[in-house]
Amino acid sequence: DGGITQSPKYLFRKEGQNVTLSCEQNLNHDAMYWYRQDPGQGLRLIYYSQIVNDFQKGDIAEGYSVSREKKESFPLTVTSAQKNPTAFYLCASSMIGQRREKLFFGSGTQLSVL
Amino acid sequence: RKEVEQDPGPFNVPEGATVAFNCTYSNSASQSFFWYRQDCRKEPKLLMSVYSSGNEDGRFTAQLNRASQYISLLIRDSKLSDSATYLCVVRGSNYKLTFGKGTLLTVNP
Repeated sequence: DGGITQSPKYLFRKEGQNVTLSCEQNLNHDAMYWYRQDPGQGLRLIYYSQIVNDFQKGDIAEGYSVSREKKESFPLTVTSAQKNPTAFYLCASSMIGQRREKLFFGSGTQLSVL
Repeated sequence: RKEVEQDPGPFNVPEGATVAFNCTYSNSASQSFFWYRQDCRKEPKLLMSVYSSGNEDGRFTAQLNRASQYISLLIRDSKLSDSATYLCVVRGSNYKLTFGKGTLLTVNP
């Protein structure tokens, strides 16, 4: 089945630790996105990528890093510089070039600080 | 003005009621508009795109008013299974999608 796979579902981070969230898609989508959602809040864009080896900062990129070495993969690293990392992280992908293309989401990763 | 602003909610309605969600956006160059539905601790899923002429999908009707920069979603004959958070989503000219904070709907028996 085609789709987006995020892992792990739950992740715990210790103080000062970097952690990496995985996102893989087999939809052959060009664009991939990372969003953060806090309780009672909408989704805020962290980073997005429209092509391999290129990505742009979203609205809240500080304390995060990404890579796009393969079309299928867009991992997100939450660095120790992100002081408030506890949130629900959602990865998404879409085709580009069509205004009404829908976002396909992964099932999310809940990150908590120990 | 926030980029995308929705009714704060929450909405509590009885089964069978009609409920309307409103959303405004600040960027007049915005090109595409969507309503997504999100169940608790799940990923959002596309409910419907919003077309300039308005569009309907069963019990759901979406409207767009570009002059007022306003989008709406109407749910008729609401069901228990409609209980969820409804997210207004706007795409700008650079393909960036901006989400509203969402409005929580609870349909009661």
